[in-house]
Amino acid sequence: AQKITQTQPGMFVQEKEAVTLDCTYDTSDPSYGLFWYKQPSSGEMIFLIYQGSYDQQNATEGRYSLNFQKARKSANLVISASQLGDSAMYFCAMRKSYNTDKLIFGTGTRLQVFP
Amino acid sequence: DTAVSQTPKYLVTQMGNDKSIKCEQNLGHDTMYWYKQDSKKFLKIMFSYNNKELIINETVPNRFSPKSPDKAHLNLHINSLELGDSAVYFCASSQGTSAYEQYFGPGTRLTVT
Repeated sequence: AQKITQTQPGMFVQEKEAVTLDCTYDTSDPSYGLFWYKQPSSGEMIFLIYQGSYDQQNATEGRYSLNFQKARKSANLVISASQLGDSAMYFCAMRKSYNTDKLIFGTGTRLQVFP
Repeated sequence: DTAVSQTPKYLVTQMGNDKSIKCEQNLGHDTMYWYKQDSKKFLKIMFSYNNKELIINETVPNRFSPKSPDKAHLNLHINSLELGDSAVYFCASSQGTSAYEQYFGPGTRLTVT
C-alpha cells in the first residue's frame, strides 16, 4: 500500500535561513508523482512543487526545491531564504501516475518562521 | 476570479440533520474531488469525479453522496450528520488524469453539535 510519512510535526527556522522539511514515501509502483502543498492559517491548500518519479532533475520553483532521492524514497522540501509568510502547515503527497489523480497525504509539518 | 469556490465556508448544524456543500470551478477542468481534513489536520480523499462520472469512492459512509450536475460542479450531500463528521471539507479540481496539480478550494468547516 502507498504511504507518505512526515516525521517532523513542527519545525522552527529563523527568517532568511533555509529549512528542510522531510518526507518519505512507500510505493511499489514504478510511476508516481510527489507533491508539496502549503496550508496557511487561513486554511486554503496551495500547490508548491511537483516531482515525477522519472524526472531526472530535482524540481525547483522559486525559493522551493525538492530534494528527490529515489533510492531512499525521500522527497524533502527545501525552502531557501525563509520569510515570515512561510509560516504554515506543509503537506507532502503522492499520486499514482497511471491511475486517477488520487492524492495520498502525509500528516503535515507545521513550520514557524521567526524574525 | 476564484478558481475553485465552495459554499458555505462555515457550517454549524446539529446531529441528525442533512446538509449540502457546494463546489464550483471555473478552470475548465474535467476532474473534481472531495477531501476531508480531520481535527489532526490529516487530509484524505473521499470522492473523485471525471466528466461527471464517479471514479474514486474511498471507504466513506453511504450517508455521504456526491453529485456532479456538470463538469464545473461537484456537490457533497451528507445525511444524518454525526459528531464525527465535523471536519474541514476541501473540494479540488484538475485537468484529466495526467495533470500533476490539483487546485483546492478554500474549504468548508463543518461543525456538528
